[in-house]
Parts: sequence; C-alpha cells; structure tokens
Amino acid sequence: AQSVTQLDSQVPVFEEAPVELRCNYSSSVSVYLFWYVQYPNQGLQLLLKYLSGSTLVKGINGFEAEFNKSQTSFHLRKPSVHISDTAEYFCAVSPRVDTGRRALTFGSGTRLQVQP
Amino acid sequence: NAGVTQTPKFQVLKTGQSMTLQCAQDMNHEYMSWYRQDPGMGLRLIHYSVGAGITDQGEVPNGYNVSRSTTEDFPLRLLSAAPSQTSVYFCASSYWGSGSRETQYFGPGTRLLVL
Repeated sequence: AQSVTQLDSQVPVFEEAPVELRCNYSSSVSVYLFWYVQYPNQGLQLLLKYLSGSTLVKGINGFEAEFNKSQTSFHLRKPSVHISDTAEYFCAVSPRVDTGRRALTFGSGTRLQVQP
Repeated sequence: NAGVTQTPKFQVLKTGQSMTLQCAQDMNHEYMSWYRQDPGMGLRLIHYSVGAGITDQGEVPNGYNVSRSTTEDFPLRLLSAAPSQTSVYFCASSYWGSGSRETQYFGPGTRLLVL
C-alpha cells in the first residue's frame, strides 16, 4: 500500500517569489510519482511525472520537481510564481508493478495562493 | 477533441434517491476510472475499467455501481444516495499501453450534495 503526505495545506506567496510545495510518500513497492494541478472549478491536469532516469523533472508552466529516493520525497518548485499559478496542487503515486487497478494514491493537496 | 466530459456539473439529491453520473471520453482510451474528492483527503478510487465489459472495484466501492458497454462511456450509478456520498466526483481515462506510468486525463467533475 502507498500513502502520500503533503505537509502544507496552504502556501501563501507573493508574485514573482519562489515556491516549494512539499510531498513525501511511503510505499512497500517502487512507484511512479506525479504532480497534478487543479484550477478552481476544474478537473486535474498533469504538471509533471517521474518515471525513471534523471531525478530532476521539468513540467509545464515552469514547474519542476526533484525525486529523492533516500528521503522518499518529490518536492515541487517554481523559481518565480504568477497570479495565474493560484490553484490546488496534488502529489500522487502509483505502483510500478501494474496490477491493472492503476490507482493513483493522492495526497490531501496544497492550496497555493499567489498574492500581488 | 473534447477529452473527458462529465454530466451533470451539479446535482442535489435526497437521501434514498438514485442517479447516474455520466462520463465520456473521445480519446479511445481503454482504461477509465471514477474518483471521489473529499476535503482534506485528496482523491480516492471508486471503480475502474480496463475495457468494454470489464470493471472492478477500487478503494471505496460501497454504494456505487458501474458498467462499461462501450469504450467511450463509463457511467457511475448511485442506487440509494446517502449523505456520506456528498462529494466531488471525477472521471479519468488513459491509454492501456505502458502500465501505470500512463498519464490519466481527468474530467471537470460533478459536485453532488445529498440531503
């Protein structure tokens, strides 16, 4: 079984400031890692995913995340945020061994509030 | 290409009523699934399907039924709604090909309130 912990439920930040959204996971098996973004009243959209290879993953809208296996973390970063980045961000994992269920296990989400 | 569509956007039910949440995708995805989103809990898998005629239970299946008669559609049925089913429901789909590394595409959600 897997579990995902997003340590911050809300992160307020000023426009053009850097931001880091934290994600830690626990799993008895090897996993793939994902970050999704949910804009108000919309569905989830994939920001980036880590499958293998380089531990630094670049995604859409200038976001990047770094996989740290020893710390079981997958923190999301952006060097300079915009008002339009205001949204809820979800970290998720899925097991590498595909049982067919393909369930994504989600964290509880972090609400990023970008202020002018 | 509309992606994943869901209807209705909002619904209010009384306890004991039944309803069907509709989900359709036009990407020819084999895999489809239903999640519910509750405050502070992220999303949890209800049911999923790996192709027409094949469905299985997820993490929280009780109180919900599904069927998959076509590749495109994957409706979720609440036979007797309960207040505990008040939630936001998301449908998702993906290709089958490369296993659980495949990106899942989400619909815009259905907000359900059960009184």
